[in-house]
Amino acid sequence: EVQLVASGGGLVQPGGSLRLSCAASGFTTSNSWMNWVRQAPGKGLEWVANIGPDGSDKYYVDSVKGRFTISKDNAENSLHLQMNSLRGEDTAVYYCGRGDKWGQGTLVTVSS
Amino acid sequence: DAVLTQSPLSLPVTLGQPASISCKSSQSVVHSDGNTRLNWFQQRPGQSPRRLIYNLSNRDSGVPDRFSGSGSGTDFTLKISRVEAEDVGVYYCMQYTHWPHTFGQGTKLEIK
Repeated sequence: EVQLVASGGGLVQPGGSLRLSCAASGFTTSNSWMNWVRQAPGKGLEWVANIGPDGSDKYYVDSVKGRFTISKDNAENSLHLQMNSLRGEDTAVYYCGRGDKWGQGTLVTVSS
Repeated sequence: DAVLTQSPLSLPVTLGQPASISCKSSQSVVHSDGNTRLNWFQQRPGQSPRRLIYNLSNRDSGVPDRFSGSGSGTDFTLKISRVEAEDVGVYYCMQYTHWPHTFGQGTKLEIK
């Protein structure tokens, strides 16, 4: 069974950093495009970033370019999102997903 | 960016009646590989997104056949032939032909 478990969310001050992780099971991340999508409180879904099977292709939404870095560890079957220079508008539940399957999400709150 | 505009944003439906959601793109989402890379997601209250339809009209495994996707180029439709109580939630279209991938604003389906 495909499972994705996101972790690493929490409360961080503006300008701070956070690293999200997503543990995958039931499939191999080295064979898949992997994504991060976020949802601000009471708002819709926003695609954030994705990474290709071997980790060499990476794409980002403009609002996070230069601040967020997506990566994957195929040996550990996991996905990560390093988030730097965090802003209030980055407050959201962050979901990791393969496209057809999505994890439960982890909440990131950026506030002083 | 490819902007996806959904309508209606709110959809009250009587149990057992059909429902239809429109999604219009500012650009064609036909990929160079010939696929129309348009997905439909369901998000039930308090849950993660669930993909229902991929590449315009293909149902994901386990999705009831009362859900169907259609359209072409820039105009797309999700239809539910007979709404059931478990269909309550927000529905999103999403294109992944262009970067950044983008979602529609969401359509909230409720039971009358």
